[in-house]
Amino acid sequence: QQQVRQSPQSLTVWEGETTILNCSYEDSTFDYFPWYRQFPGKSPALLIAISLVSNKKEDGRFTIFFNKREKKLSLHITDSQPGDSATYFCAASRAGNTRKLIFGLGTTLQVQP
Amino acid sequence: GPKVLQIPSHQIIDMGQMVTLNCDPVSNHLYFYWYKQILGQQMEFLVNFYNGKVMEKSKLFKDQFSVERPDGSYFTLKIQPTALEDSAVYFCASSSTGGNTGQLYFGEGSKLTVL
Repeated sequence: QQQVRQSPQSLTVWEGETTILNCSYEDSTFDYFPWYRQFPGKSPALLIAISLVSNKKEDGRFTIFFNKREKKLSLHITDSQPGDSATYFCAASRAGNTRKLIFGLGTTLQVQP
Repeated sequence: GPKVLQIPSHQIIDMGQMVTLNCDPVSNHLYFYWYKQILGQQMEFLVNFYNGKVMEKSKLFKDQFSVERPDGSYFTLKIQPTALEDSAVYFCASSSTGGNTGQLYFGEGSKLTVL
């Protein structure tokens, strides 16, 4: 059973549009939610993260919106660029001594010029 | 930024052989992880390691798998013997504070092909 779910599986948008990537979870013990971006053949790298204390986190063109009640997050990419084409992973972690990240299946984004 | 180095980048071996994947984590990082990724899909947690000990391992971390970091050198993942289903890209990651508060830095991955 997937602990972190992402949708859509893949997405194509035009340059300049706003991209919305969705993520949901069920385990209420999760308290930290980073998004990682992976370019083909490369390693995942942290893009932006949010914790339970926030409803929104913004970093340039990237914004996380967090609905804690529904256990849903979304990553918005404004003014999408061809260079944003990559796979985006939503991840979750819980406090404790194991400190592991649990990743979703990812959303592959293609931005067309 | 901080770099995690992985050696080898690609290894092809016959089923049943042993393989050791090496990871040079970011210096002064304390938490180490191995993840398995197949065909660019989900990053699946294998194991994490702190203070010389395995903290948690997943169902994917079979008895044939082992990890160690002797004398603060490479953090290694050993598979003995290998099976066909072990073919994947294995990513090492390190963190100074752990996944729930700090950033995980990933290496470029070691692609393992088991024939």
